[in-house]
Amino acid sequence: NAGVTQTPKFRILKIGQSMTLQCTQDMNHNYMYWYRQDPGMGLKLIYYSVGAGITDKGEVPNGYNVSRSTTEDFPLRLELAAPSQTSVYFCASSYGPGTSEAFFGQGTRLTVV
Amino acid sequence: TQLLEQSPQFLSIQEGENLTVYCNSSSVFSSLQWYRQEPGEGPVLLVTVVTGGEVKKLKRLTFQFGDARKDSSLHITAAQPGDTGLYLCAGAGEDNFNKFYFGSGTKLNVKP
Repeated sequence: NAGVTQTPKFRILKIGQSMTLQCTQDMNHNYMYWYRQDPGMGLKLIYYSVGAGITDKGEVPNGYNVSRSTTEDFPLRLELAAPSQTSVYFCASSYGPGTSEAFFGQGTRLTVV
Repeated sequence: TQLLEQSPQFLSIQEGENLTVYCNSSSVFSSLQWYRQEPGEGPVLLVTVVTGGEVKKLKRLTFQFGDARKDSSLHITAAQPGDTGLYLCAGAGEDNFNKFYFGSGTKLNVKP
């Protein structure tokens, strides 16, 4: 069972570069999320989607973009990477909102130098 | 700023001891979840509580949701080294339950 798959697992970017973090899930979940986790901190919501074609901002959306063209995929785009975006990024999916269990990927560790 | 404050931030105890982790907020949540995260992995759900005053037990773990749905606690009885990890609470906003806000986490180390 694949669940939520994130690629790449690690990446080093130079300041000003761009990249896309990939996330795909095979559970036919409508809800998908992107979080970032800074060292010693909890997770902060970047963007979320309640279904294909529908996305909305979370707590910390600046510097990121998302799209949701299919139920399975929810890529996160970083434009003009900055050192403040150094973090571990987690993608998650759930069947529904609120009380539904969120299933997380293994994370992408991003360093911007 | 964190909407959900967890305490303590760090906890190092001996095997067999009991402990309680707290998750507090000034906001009301429609539901609250507890997750456990191990190094290099994503969080894994332990429990969801939805009703004010609700108590749920999962083997040696007891979870409580405050009457006003603003706070929660996790109590572990007779902690074991396998309980070591980062414990995170997460609340779904009452105005928008699509958004989950995570606490800052409690890092637990249980020494054999």
